[in-house]
Amino acid sequence: GDSVTQTEGLVTLTKGLPVMLNCTYQTTYSPFLFWYVQHLNEAPKLLLKSSTDNKRTEHQGFYATLHKSSSSFHLQKSSVQLSDSALYFCALSVMSNYNVLYFGSGTKLTVEP
Amino acid sequence: NSKVIQTPRYLVKGQGQKAKMRCIPEKGHPVVFWYQQNKNNEFKFLINFQNQEVLQQIDMTEKRFSAECPSNSPCSLEIQSSEAGDSALYLCASTGTGRTYAEQFFGPGTRLTVL
Repeated sequence: GDSVTQTEGLVTLTKGLPVMLNCTYQTTYSPFLFWYVQHLNEAPKLLLKSSTDNKRTEHQGFYATLHKSSSSFHLQKSSVQLSDSALYFCALSVMSNYNVLYFGSGTKLTVEP
Repeated sequence: NSKVIQTPRYLVKGQGQKAKMRCIPEKGHPVVFWYQQNKNNEFKFLINFQNQEVLQQIDMTEKRFSAECPSNSPCSLEIQSSEAGDSALYLCASTGTGRTYAEQFFGPGTRLTVL
């Protein structure tokens, strides 16, 4: 079935360093991939989205490229800030399943001074 | 920023009690989803609607959970007889239709605690 895998549960970094959060997915249909960010006690907010193979998408300093050949949509940022500390979820939707979102298990990013 | 409204933000119930929460989707969004996010931050899809019609729902929803999205009224999710395992954040999301509207916009959630 359709699924998303995030391999890092916890990531702790010092401010200013680069980060990459891994996301791989499984589906037999044409995928739409998303990254959502959830700060403590807040709603998940859309960070990035893509359905185009090999095209980089960027927002608020974060970027990701959907690679259908490797079923990946890794999230990157070149220099993390304290305000980036949050939960990050990769999610997959396919139109054949009414666009229901399949979420990964999430990565908690903590940025230290 | 999302304009999905969810009420109440917090809900505390005893076991066996009914728990009802509401959602007003973003204006112009005919598709509404309900998800449950547990204490381990895992998401579980519960049910979705397009206008007033159920598109899909999981088995759990068919038993103790009921939901509706009446015309010109908030959508609602109700747990008929709450159990401790139902304690979670219930998130409502809305979206448009078609491929260009695949992204979902979430409300702040209703945090249910079942004592």
